[in-house]
Amino acid sequence: NAGVTQTPKFQVLKTGQSMTLQCAQDMNHEYMSWYRQDPGMGLRLIHYSVGAGITDQGEVPNGYNVSRSTTEDFPLRLLSAAPSQTSVYFCASSYGLVSDRKAFFGQGTRLTVV
Amino acid sequence: GQQVMQIPQYQHVQEGEDFTTYCNSSTTLSNIQWYKQRPGGHPVFLIQLVKSGEVKKQKRLTFQFGEAKKNSSLHITATQTTDVGTYFCAGGGYSTLTFGKGTMLLVSP
Repeated sequence: NAGVTQTPKFQVLKTGQSMTLQCAQDMNHEYMSWYRQDPGMGLRLIHYSVGAGITDQGEVPNGYNVSRSTTEDFPLRLLSAAPSQTSVYFCASSYGLVSDRKAFFGQGTRLTVV
Repeated sequence: GQQVMQIPQYQHVQEGEDFTTYCNSSTTLSNIQWYKQRPGGHPVFLIQLVKSGEVKKQKRLTFQFGEAKKNSSLHITATQTTDVGTYFCAGGGYSTLTFGKGTMLLVSP
């Protein structure tokens, strides 16, 4: 049982480059989210999705795009990388029930923008 | 928007001492969750509390949800070196979780 799989684990980008962080889950979860984690800042929500075809912005969406064409996949696109986007990115998924919102996290992608 | 504050930011204890982290929300929560993140790892779910005044225990860990459903605490009795990590609370809203900034726990043997 793979759970939530993120690729790549590490990435170095030059300023202005674009890239896509991949996230896939095999638990048939409706909800998927992207967070970034910076020292002392906790986990901040970038974008989230409550089902295929439905996405919405979180707390820090600028510079990122998402789409959700299938239940399983929720890629995060960096349009034009900036040094301020250097961070650790986590994808998470969960069921949609209020009584069972347990989030499963991927292993994370450590991104450095130079 | 919803804000979740967590204190302390950091605590260093001797093995065997107790530890508590507190979480406060600016709004009433439908549920609250707690996660643990080991250094270099990813957050791992510990527990979810849903009912007002709820108390749950997992071995040496005790979790409480306040009567007004706006605050919560995690208490660890007799810490061990395996408890090292950052503990996050996360407030459950309609569609999303709002995480506190976490409490980093260091345990010296």
